Amino acid sequence: QVQLQQWGAGLLKPSETLSLTCAVYNGSFSAYYCNWIRQPPGKGLEWIGDISQSGTTNYNPSLRSRVTISVDTSKNQFSLKLSSVTAADTAVYYCARGDVITGMGYWGQGTLVTVSS
Amino acid sequence: QTVVTQEPSLTVSPGGTVTLTCASSTGAVTSGYYANWFQQKPGQAPGALIYSTSNKHSWTPARFSGSLLGGKAALTLSGVQPEDEAEYYCLLYSGGAWVFGGGTTLTVL
Repeated sequence: QVQLQQWGAGLLKPSETLSLTCAVYNGSFSAYYCNWIRQPPGKGLEWIGDISQSGTTNYNPSLRSRVTISVDTSKNQFSLKLSSVTAADTAVYYCARGDVITGMGYWGQGTLVTVSS
Repeated sequence: QTVVTQEPSLTVSPGGTVTLTCASSTGAVTSGYYANWFQQKPGQAPGALIYSTSNKHSWTPARFSGSLLGGKAALTLSGVQPEDEAEYYCLLYSGGAWVFGGGTTLTVL
């Protein structure tokens, strides 16, 4: 059974950089894109971006200037960095594996990141 | 940027059938938008139901089906169960990026 486990700091101050990592267990890592998605409290889902195993990235245009997604294939892990955070970046952040061919079938458990001074 | 629109809320009776739709601001939704559908219950991560318009994951109950309907992506629930009460999100691929719809709150009453 494919599992995604994610971790990272849950409380940040404005202007700091959000950093999360997601590991993929019990499944193929090299054949899929990996995604980051977020959900502000009480609101809908927002796609942040994705990365292929070769390192090709695609980002949400509204976040592109602040987002970096990277991959470490040796550890079956991928990471998200979001710079210059504000209260508007407070959300549950999810990682998910999948792409146009396979769909986003597998998700991490979610990490609540709160930005507060 | 593409805007994806879903019905804000729908109500269905147990055992009934309901169709949720997903429209794109760029025009008719086609198979090239690779529509995905997700179910989310309070306090849980979204669970994937449908990918690439109409394909089911191995865990997707048979009563859920995906299609294209009148220029939109559609999710149909047949024989609705009380446990189907949840928020449903569609996801479309457009211009090299994924875009979520705003979600539909499905009430089973």
